Amino acid sequence: GQQVQQSPASLVLQEGENAELQCNFSTSLNSMQWFYQRPGGSLVSLFYNPSGTKHSGRLTSTTVIKERRSSLHISSSQTTDSGTYLCALGTDSNYQLIWGSGTKLIIKP
Amino acid sequence: NTKITQSPRYLILGRANKSLECEQHLGHNAMYWYKQSAEKPPELMFLYNLKQLIRNETVPSRFIPECPDSSKLLLHISAVDPEDSAVYFCASSPGQPSNERLFFGHGTKLSVL
Repeated sequence: GQQVQQSPASLVLQEGENAELQCNFSTSLNSMQWFYQRPGGSLVSLFYNPSGTKHSGRLTSTTVIKERRSSLHISSSQTTDSGTYLCALGTDSNYQLIWGSGTKLIIKP
Repeated sequence: NTKITQSPRYLILGRANKSLECEQHLGHNAMYWYKQSAEKPPELMFLYNLKQLIRNETVPSRFIPECPDSSKLLLHISAVDPEDSAVYFCASSPGQPSNERLFFGHGTKLSVL
């Protein structure tokens, strides 16, 4: 089965609402990263967060290894937050990152 | 992101040969080529870690990587196929792959006629 599952697949919110994106994994973890991608754009590194909680402006990433999950919280969303958010898991057994399928976020004005 | 530069930005090819170029100004030891098809996560094609090549065995042999020095990466493509139409990203990380933060260039969009 899939080693990394992202949810929801898509999310539509009004500007100002908070967004909660999840990444659940079924394998042991060395690293967890979150990326943002605008349509036609590059992948922007948001967080490198193998465990615990990290903050960056309106974004918060929390990784709980025991519960095999990582979340990305966006507070007071803005239309410019629209895009796809991807999580990627690094493990000891493979040099490759294991990617989630992404959450497509649309923030309406 | 101007610290990882890729060229060209756009490429339209028939069955021709072409090379993609990447340079990173971050002092990183690991460099990668990723392929991203529409609406999918990126797929790793090649990785150079301290100039040692690790390849994804599913990548067709018409793709040949080259790492002339620790800051530069090339991807030579010969006789492209329509299935090669995608965005090709160069990326780098400070050290050991899967344990380090990954940074991407802006990509080269390849369209095969």
